[in-house]
Amino acid sequence: QQQVKQSPQSLIVQKGGISIINCAYENTAFDYFPWYQQFPGKGPALLIAIRPDVSEKKEGRFTISFNKSAKQFSLHIMDSQPGDSATYFCATSGAGSYQLTFGKGTKLSVIP
Amino acid sequence: KAGVTQTPRYLIKTRGQQVTLSCSPISGHRSVSWYQQTPGQGLQFLFEYFSETQRNKGNFPGRFSGRQFSNSRSEMNVSTLELGDSALYLCASSWMTSRGSNEQFFGPGTRLTVL
Repeated sequence: QQQVKQSPQSLIVQKGGISIINCAYENTAFDYFPWYQQFPGKGPALLIAIRPDVSEKKEGRFTISFNKSAKQFSLHIMDSQPGDSATYFCATSGAGSYQLTFGKGTKLSVIP
Repeated sequence: KAGVTQTPRYLIKTRGQQVTLSCSPISGHRSVSWYQQTPGQGLQFLFEYFSETQRNKGNFPGRFSGRQFSNSRSEMNVSTLELGDSALYLCASSWMTSRGSNEQFFGPGTRLTVL
C-alpha cells in the first residue's frame, strides 16, 4: 500500500520558471511533511519541512503549501536554476516518529 | 559539525555472503535510522535505533538486522545476501527538539552490489 503518492515522476522546467511537485498522503496521523533533495551519488538532503498547523512555509526560493483537508502538500521552486536539477522526494511521518514514508521521487531537470 | 558518515561507500558481495555496514551519526544525535533505496521500490525504512534500543522496524525479512553502540554509532547486517539486496543503504541521524523532532539528516550511503 503506497501511503504517499508523488507526482509528476519527471519534470522539465526552463531556467527562471516555477517547478511544482505534488504529494498526497492517506494517513491522517502524519504530522511532519519534509521535502528532500538528492543529487546523483549523494544521500538525500533535507530541503524544507512543514507541520500541519500552518498552510504554507517559505525558505528562500522554496515554498511548501499544505492542504490538510485534501491531505495534499506541494513543493514550489521559484526562479528555478540548472543547479536545482535533482531528484526530489516528499515524505511523511507521525508525531515523534523517525520512520519516514517517502514518495517515489520526481526527477527535475532545469534547462537553460 | 561533521555530517553523517557511512563506511564503506561501495561494496561488492556474492549471493549467500553476509555484509556489515557502518554509520557514524552527527555528533550529539542519538537516533539512527536505516533506509534501503532501489530504483523500483524507492526509499524504504529498515529500522531505527535510539540509545542502543531498536524502536521501530520496517517490513524487511529477518536477514536484515542492526545494532547501536553506546557512542550512537550503528551497524546494519544483511545475512545470506540475495541479488535483490543490491541497493543504496542510507543511514540518517536525528536529535530531539522540544516538539520531538522528526528531522533526519542522511549520510552519503553505501552502494551494495550483490553478484
